Amino acid sequence: GEDVEQSLFLSVREGDSSVINCTYTDSSSTYLYWYKQEPGAGLQLLTYIFSNMDMKQDQRLTVLLNKKDKHLSLRIADTQTGDSAIYFCADHTGNTPLVFGKGTRLSVIA
Amino acid sequence: DTEVTQTPKHLVMGMTNKKSLKCEQHMGHRAMYWYKQKAKKPPELMFVYSYEKLSINESVPSRFSPECPNSSLLNLHLHALQPEDSALYLCASSSRAGTDTQYFGPGTRLTVL
Repeated sequence: GEDVEQSLFLSVREGDSSVINCTYTDSSSTYLYWYKQEPGAGLQLLTYIFSNMDMKQDQRLTVLLNKKDKHLSLRIADTQTGDSAIYFCADHTGNTPLVFGKGTRLSVIA
Repeated sequence: DTEVTQTPKHLVMGMTNKKSLKCEQHMGHRAMYWYKQKAKKPPELMFVYSYEKLSINESVPSRFSPECPNSSLLNLHLHALQPEDSALYLCASSSRAGTDTQYFGPGTRLTVL
């Protein structure tokens, strides 16, 4: 079945850019998502990208998709302490359920 | 408005209790989901309802019983749970089941004593 992989931890200084990476295995993926989860909270949809796009930008967030390498990244510009959270990459293929990565814990150092 | 609400926020129950979790959305979505999330893990899908009918049951034990009374409401009835069922239970909804974007609620933190 589909597998989605993420690195588990990332630490950045406040004001720097953060880049969270994700790889997936199913070449027929249709939508790829980034969700943010703060401690004790639900999942907040941050952004998503359709598989026929290479890049999507939304304010401080930039998503890059390399379909050839099955690699997705989320760049957060000017990272703030409020960005500290777990970020989940998730993949949708056809009518199958969402497949989540294990999540990347982002720590922002003031 | 992309809000999914869940009640209660926290629930503590004994192994012999019967309780229910509730989820509501008013976005006109016709697919609703229950997920279970253990600490430091991604959410695991439990059930999917599509047009108020159960379409996916991911081999969940019968002590969890979902119900979809109408297109806006989703319940999860709990009975005879075990301590290992303690987790964050998340509800989500999407326009349709399949590839439509899922929006999550804040979750119910369940502790089974």
